[in-house]
Amino acid sequence: DQQVKQNSPSLSVQEGRISILNCDYTNSMFDYFLWYKKYPAEGPTFLISISSIKDKNEDGRFTVFLNKSAKHLSLHIVPSQPGDSAVYFCAATFSGNTGKLIFGQGTTLQVKP
Amino acid sequence: GAGVSQSPSNKVTEKGKDVELRCDPISGHTALYWYRQSLGQGLEFLIYFQGNSAPDKSGLPSDRFSAERTGGSVSTLTIQRTQQEDSAVYLCASRWDTNTEAFFGQGTRLTVV
Repeated sequence: DQQVKQNSPSLSVQEGRISILNCDYTNSMFDYFLWYKKYPAEGPTFLISISSIKDKNEDGRFTVFLNKSAKHLSLHIVPSQPGDSAVYFCAATFSGNTGKLIFGQGTTLQVKP
Repeated sequence: GAGVSQSPSNKVTEKGKDVELRCDPISGHTALYWYRQSLGQGLEFLIYFQGNSAPDKSGLPSDRFSAERTGGSVSTLTIQRTQQEDSAVYLCASRWDTNTEAFFGQGTRLTVV
């Protein structure tokens, strides 16, 4: 049972354009969501998060949008840079003591110069 | 320490042997997670420790896998009688609280030959 899904395995965009990475979840009890970036041979690094009480969180070039009714979140990167090329994972968790962190399958982003 | 530390970084073992993978979380982090990433796959949840609570072992793929966390700090993931399908990158992450980001180590690349 895949509770967090990233249905696009890969995405290719031109440098300077917007990258939009999507994530869907099935458990309505999730209330905290995170995006991570992973380069080959490295551990994932945290990018940005959002609590379920918000619908948008912005940090520099990165913005995460949350649509609770659709159980959908997205990560926007603008403008995209070649250094953004990596695998992006979304993750969801429950606040409180049951803080199990569930990841999607990942989307490989390629930003072409 | 400054970050999550995992050892060894690489491990090659013969099929049928036991292996131990170590994770040193960030000091003070109460939550510790183990994941694995097989080739071309996403982050598969294995086990989660939260403070003094009983660990969530729901992701362990078989009874050959076990993990412990001593003194609420260092954790060891043990795989008994390794099989070729156990070959993967094993990632450890720690987290201060359930509404904060998790920090990952660099991972241990396990190869079973």
